[in-house]
Amino acid sequence: ETGVTQTPRHLVMGMTNKKSLKCEQHLGHNAMYWYKQSAKKPLELMFVYNFKEQTENNSVPSRFSPECPNSSHLFLHLHTLQPEDSALYLCASSQSGTGGDQETQYFGPGTRLLVL
Amino acid sequence: GQQLNQSPQSMFIQEGEDVSMNCTSSSIFNTWLWYKQDPGEGPVLLIALYKAGELTSNGRLTAQFGITRKDSFLNISASIPSDVGIYFCAGQKINTGNQFYFGTGTSLTVIP
Repeated sequence: ETGVTQTPRHLVMGMTNKKSLKCEQHLGHNAMYWYKQSAKKPLELMFVYNFKEQTENNSVPSRFSPECPNSSHLFLHLHTLQPEDSALYLCASSQSGTGGDQETQYFGPGTRLLVL
Repeated sequence: GQQLNQSPQSMFIQEGEDVSMNCTSSSIFNTWLWYKQDPGEGPVLLIALYKAGELTSNGRLTAQFGITRKDSFLNISASIPSDVGIYFCAGQKINTGNQFYFGTGTSLTVIP
């Protein structure tokens, strides 16, 4: 248990569906992240939120839409996805998110997404 | 984004052997983190390093923050079957905001 939870753990969706991934952190952190992890590929940073404000959008297609209502919750809204979007989606959080001293990033268990 | 160079890419070892892996960067980092990831799960933090030259242990795992601040090493002593998994390094540069940079991973297989 890392203090970061994600739901659902597994998701199968069609290309016309709309779904949302949820992440919650219980660590009192101020920064939250979405990563995509495809088979045989390194972690890809998607979005970063710091104090609820988006500070990084790593050229992610608009069919992925993040939402951060507060520092503890992060959502990833999905619509009209493609089969190549199938991957493990990981949420993470870190303390201040300012690149200061002693930053540590903790990951959730991930959502395994399959797009048919 | 920038990736860290992690080696080796994979390792097959006998149970009881020691393991070493490393991560290098062309940039200076102020934080190095080491994670282990099991299939279908998220990475779990093993060791965090914050000072050049720092040597930190977590059970049979030992990691070091390189003096040049451009590399880090992870050693596993007396490997056991449950050490199997993918090990990732991650680093953060000073004053660059939130972003962490990740290595490409080392896949470890332990043969009983």
